Parts: sequence; C-alpha cells; structure tokens
Amino acid sequence: GNSVTQMEGPVTLSEEAFLTINCTYTATGYPSLFWYVQYPGEGLQLLLKATKADDKGSNKGFEATYRKETTSFHLEKGSVQVSDSAVYFCALSDLSGTSYGKLTFGQGTILTVHP
Amino acid sequence: EAGVAQSPRYKIIEKRQSVAFWCNPISGHATLYWYQQILGQGPKLLIQFQNNGVVDDSQLPKDRFSAERLKGVDSTLKIQPAKLEDSAVYLCASSPGLAYENEQFFGPGTRLTVL
Repeated sequence: GNSVTQMEGPVTLSEEAFLTINCTYTATGYPSLFWYVQYPGEGLQLLLKATKADDKGSNKGFEATYRKETTSFHLEKGSVQVSDSAVYFCALSDLSGTSYGKLTFGQGTILTVHP
Repeated sequence: EAGVAQSPRYKIIEKRQSVAFWCNPISGHATLYWYQQILGQGPKLLIQFQNNGVVDDSQLPKDRFSAERLKGVDSTLKIQPAKLEDSAVYLCASSPGLAYENEQFFGPGTRLTVL
C-alpha cells in the first residue's frame, strides 16, 4: 500500500535559519504530493502541492520539488520566522481503486522557531 | 466563505459509552472525508463520501463505528461502544470533487477522550 515517511522531529530552529523537512513516499502509481500545515489551535490547511514529477510547489516562502527518481518531496524554506512554528504533514493522493482523493499522511514534524 | 464546521470541539466519555460527531462541509462540496488522528500520528482516513454515497470505508471499524451523510450535505460519525484506543482527534474534510489533485479543506476537529 501507499505510505509516507517524514523525518523525525521535533525540529527547533532560530529565526532566519534554513529549514528542511524530509519526506519520502511509496506509491504504486503516480500520486499527487502535498504539504499540509497545522498551526496551534487551528485545523489542517494546504501549504503547497505538486501533481507530477519535477513540479515545484511553493507558497509563503516554502518550496518542495516532486522527485520521482528518489521518491521524495522535501520541504524547504530559506529563512524561517517565529510564525512558522507549527506541525507539518507530508501527504500523497493517488488514483488506485476507488479512493480518488484519499490522502495518506506522514506522521508529522513539529517545528518550533525561536526569536 | 465559511469553512468546514465540526461539533463538539471536545468530548470526554467513559469506555462502552456512545458518542456522535457532526460535520457541516463547505457549501457545494461533493466529497466529504472523516479522518482519525491519534496523538503523534498523521490523520488516517476512516470513510469517504461522494454526495450521499460511500466511496471508501475500508478502514472504518464497522463493528463500532458508523457514519452517514444526510442529503449529501451534513455528516455524522458515531462510535458505539467506545474503547480506550478510540481516544483521538476526529477530523472532517471536504473537497469540490473526487479528483485527486483537489485540495481538501479541514475542519478544526473534535478531540475525543475515552476514560
């Protein structure tokens, strides 16, 4: 079956540091890949997505590139802010069977950014 | 545009009791999902509706969990009887359609504690 593996956290950084959160996946077909973010006290929201190999998703200074050859979708940001503190989830969605749109999530990575 | 609404936000019950959660998706969204998120893990799909029909309930423990979507709009998820391992956050999400590249919009979740 499909699976998503994220780097273990939590991750603690100082403001303006470079961020990388690793994500690798296993899928039988050609999935779409997503990063969702959960800010304290809020629901999950889409951060960025990529629907085919070599696509780059970007939003709010975050970027991730769909690498089919390494089955990866690592999240990066050049300069993090305190307001980026949240839980980040990597996820995939595939077309297998009848589960169109079903999301398979990684376990989440807690990011804390200090001033 | 109003987001996905869920109630209650918190629920504490004793094992073997029953509990129900309610979800109101974004207006016009045909697809509705219920996820279970256990502490420290990513959300796991329980059931997916397309309008008022079930698309995928393969991960729903049908001996104790049930769900329905009335008139293709609101949905309820019920647990009867609850077990200790059902303690989790229950997330409802909706999307415009079944296509796997559609963004899913999440509600704030219901945190269930089973004592």
